[in-house]
Amino acid sequence: DQQVKQNSPSLSVQEGRISILNCDYTNSMFDYFLWYKKYPAEGPTFLISISSIKDKNEDGRFTVFLNKSAKHLSLHIVPSQPGDSAVYFCAASALREYGNKLVFGAGTILRVKS
Amino acid sequence: NAGVTQTPKFQVLKTGQSMTLQCAQDMNHEYMSWYRQDPGMGLRLIHYSVGAGITDQGEVPNGYNVSRSTTEDFPLRLLSAAPSQTSVYFCASSPGMNTEAFFGQGTRLTVV
Repeated sequence: DQQVKQNSPSLSVQEGRISILNCDYTNSMFDYFLWYKKYPAEGPTFLISISSIKDKNEDGRFTVFLNKSAKHLSLHIVPSQPGDSAVYFCAASALREYGNKLVFGAGTILRVKS
Repeated sequence: NAGVTQTPKFQVLKTGQSMTLQCAQDMNHEYMSWYRQDPGMGLRLIHYSVGAGITDQGEVPNGYNVSRSTTEDFPLRLLSAAPSQTSVYFCASSPGMNTEAFFGQGTRLTVV
């Protein structure tokens, strides 16, 4: 039973346009959400996070939106660049959970075409 | 600044063999963890530690052991390798609760 779901295995976007990656979760105890980016043969690298007390967080070209009532978050990349082509993982954790344990989605492959 | 270092990068084992995957971090983080990544399943937590001498099981702990004798090191031991343990293993560290985790480059393990 996946607690964090990324229902789109892949997404293809033209350079300069917006990329929107989606993530749904089922565990209402989750209160901290992160996005990671992963290139082949490398470890995941942290991109951006959001706490459940917020509904939006921005960092340069990256914005994460959180809709707690829908248990849904999304990552917007504007404008998309070819170097953004990677696998994007959504992850979640619960403050009350001991150990900063992250629960990951299956990932979405983003391809940005030039 | 090395961050999280994993060794080896690649390993092939025969069924029944044992081995240890090494993980070291130089950021003085209290929290460390091991994940495995399998196709279509994202990363799943194997074991984690909240400090030297303290470890606990994650989502998929069977067949693996860990220990944490120092803040820097968190080795993962495969007791008797099985083909189902073929995967990419990632070690991560973080400074505390609800913080980003920093990942190593991974170890690709094949069990034949």
